[in-house]
Amino acid sequence: DIHMTQSPSSLSASIGDRVTITCQASQDIKNDLNWYQQRPGKAPKLLIYDTSKLETGVPSRFSGSGSGTHFTFFIRSLQPEDIGTYYCQQYDDLPRTFGQGTKVEI
Amino acid sequence: EVQLVESGGGLVQPGQSLRLSCTGSGFIFGEYAMSWVRQAPGKGLEWVGYIRSAPYGGTTQYAASVRGRFIISRDDSKGIAYLHLNTLKTEDTAVYYCTRALGVLRYWGQGTLVTVSS
Repeated sequence: DIHMTQSPSSLSASIGDRVTITCQASQDIKNDLNWYQQRPGKAPKLLIYDTSKLETGVPSRFSGSGSGTHFTFFIRSLQPEDIGTYYCQQYDDLPRTFGQGTKVEI
Repeated sequence: EVQLVESGGGLVQPGQSLRLSCTGSGFIFGEYAMSWVRQAPGKGLEWVGYIRSAPYGGTTQYAASVRGRFIISRDDSKGIAYLHLNTLKTEDTAVYYCTRALGVLRYWGQGTLVTVSS
């Protein structure tokens, strides 16, 4: 199985801060990586797909980069509605696997 | 508008079975693969498995943790995907989400809670 290591596991930031989350894959997954946001009590929401493509309707302060085994997710200017947990997910191989999540607090 | 609605969750005892349903609307159900993802209380997301669409053979794949116990099926005439949970264990306690597609999980249901406890 491809293991996805996400860091940090949690972070606290202020409104307007730039937030960075990393995700490392245990083997090359090319660009087959997505990022999801999960607000408390809600289903996950797709934010970024194929490493860097912004999902329709998602604010442009969210972005992603990387390839191969190292990926990064950014929130350019943290907003109050961004609190929640963020997950990376690879779909290069089966089983699909998620990172352990990064809880973002303000 | 694409909508996915799960149902069928509840409280069951270890060793029992349960069937979850995922009803899709707003898209041509038979054209899409469907996946299931679960989340144990306070834990992260775990992929459970998927079923391909009929043009791709309707084949299924499962996570090792559920293979041999869980079965995914679909009824395209009704627009429903099913997750049959057999020989349930306490560690299967989770919110179960259905999602559309195999890799990029763009649409999710609201989830249904399965609690396995004696």
